[in-house]
Amino acid sequence: KQEVTQIPAALSVPEGENLVLNCSFTDSAIYNLQWFRQDPGKGLTSLLLIQSSQREQTSGRLNASLDKSSGRSTLYIAASQPGDSATYLCDQGGKLIFGQGTELSVKP
Amino acid sequence: DVKVTQSSRYLVKRTGEKVFLECVQDMDHENMFWYRQDPGLGLRLIYFSYDVKMKEKGDIPEGYSVSREKKERFSLILESASTNQTSMYLCASSFSNTGELFFGEGSRLTVL
Repeated sequence: KQEVTQIPAALSVPEGENLVLNCSFTDSAIYNLQWFRQDPGKGLTSLLLIQSSQREQTSGRLNASLDKSSGRSTLYIAASQPGDSATYLCDQGGKLIFGQGTELSVKP
Repeated sequence: DVKVTQSSRYLVKRTGEKVFLECVQDMDHENMFWYRQDPGLGLRLIYFSYDVKMKEKGDIPEGYSVSREKKERFSLILESASTNQTSMYLCASSFSNTGELFFGEGSRLTVL
């Protein structure tokens, strides 16, 4: 069965720290990989979309990379802020499979 | 701005009631999806549609049906609500299989 795994499940860091969230997938035949954030009780907000032909995408303090050969994507958050506190999910596009998410808490 | 609108943010229904959850997108997207999200289980796909009047079962279609009479609207129907259908329901849409996925704000359904 195809799976998407996110590690760690939860992460707590002090403000200002750089951090990396991981997403692993078992099927390398992907169309794209998308990262989302979800605030409590809300829907998912798209952060970055990496097409299968791309290696990375950047938006502000966020950088996402994709390595199809190893079945991994990472989301790098630079200079974390308390407003970054949320659950981060990855989606293996085309397969409609989501990871369970990483719950991030950034302490002031 | 891209917009996926779910008609109700919060609903409380009784066991056995028929429930309609409506989702409308204004981006002329081909694909629309319904997920439910539960603690510890993550997002699970209920039904999806790649075109008007077309529907496909996802991973957990039992107890649900859908309707897509117009391109912009995708409705999730619970024919006879049960307490185990208490959940957060999320609608999403995309232009294509390689396109960006956009979500609505979610509908939290409680079945008593």
